Amino acid sequence: GAGVSQSPSNKVTEKGKDVELRCDPISGHTALYWYRQSLGQGLEFLIYFQGNSAPDKSGLPSDRFSAERTGGSVSTLTIQRTQQEDSAVYLCASSPDGAGLEAFFGQGTRLTVV
Amino acid sequence: AQSVAQPEDQVNVAEGNPLTVKCTYSVSGNPYLFWYVQYPNRGLQFLLKYITGDNLVKGSYGFEAEFNKSQTSFHLKKPSALVSDSALYFCAVRVRSGNTPLVFGKGTRLSVIA
Repeated sequence: GAGVSQSPSNKVTEKGKDVELRCDPISGHTALYWYRQSLGQGLEFLIYFQGNSAPDKSGLPSDRFSAERTGGSVSTLTIQRTQQEDSAVYLCASSPDGAGLEAFFGQGTRLTVV
Repeated sequence: AQSVAQPEDQVNVAEGNPLTVKCTYSVSGNPYLFWYVQYPNRGLQFLLKYITGDNLVKGSYGFEAEFNKSQTSFHLKKPSALVSDSALYFCAVRVRSGNTPLVFGKGTRLSVIA
């Protein structure tokens, strides 16, 4: 596809369950970001992948959160033992190599923990 | 660590009047600066960026922003606001050197009143 694709678009899960959120970046983009947007809040940085470098995990809020990027393309964000405060829209973005190049965002996954 | 401050949660302006959405940043080094817009129920869209050169940057939909190094600011402006400009606006910064993520401010909600 032409843009960043995220799936599912909506996810409702029970407290304590694990969830996986998927991001397909734009082909050829070496950088991939995950952000979290809570209701009425800004964009909270979670994790950043750049090429073959070690990911920047400094934004992950707890050890229940993890992310992988396989083959430099698709990424999965995993939240273990979900809590109600994890409810938010999770946004993925990708950009070409080069710090001055803008990132392109997917439509997000709306996660609701009940 | 880099950070972005958007001091106003909400900006209200009458249609046809000029608008300004404020952004200040903090980085160790020289920045790349970006503005994004989020319309209701839609993903984030890139508006404009400052990389180098002219401090006044022009972007999509008639928006512009001025980079001011001494004040570490990158305010978004438009000479004549439209009702359709009503949205959530995000400023973002990235350090030029090194392998660093794109960091966003908390966002400013712009309401243009007819």
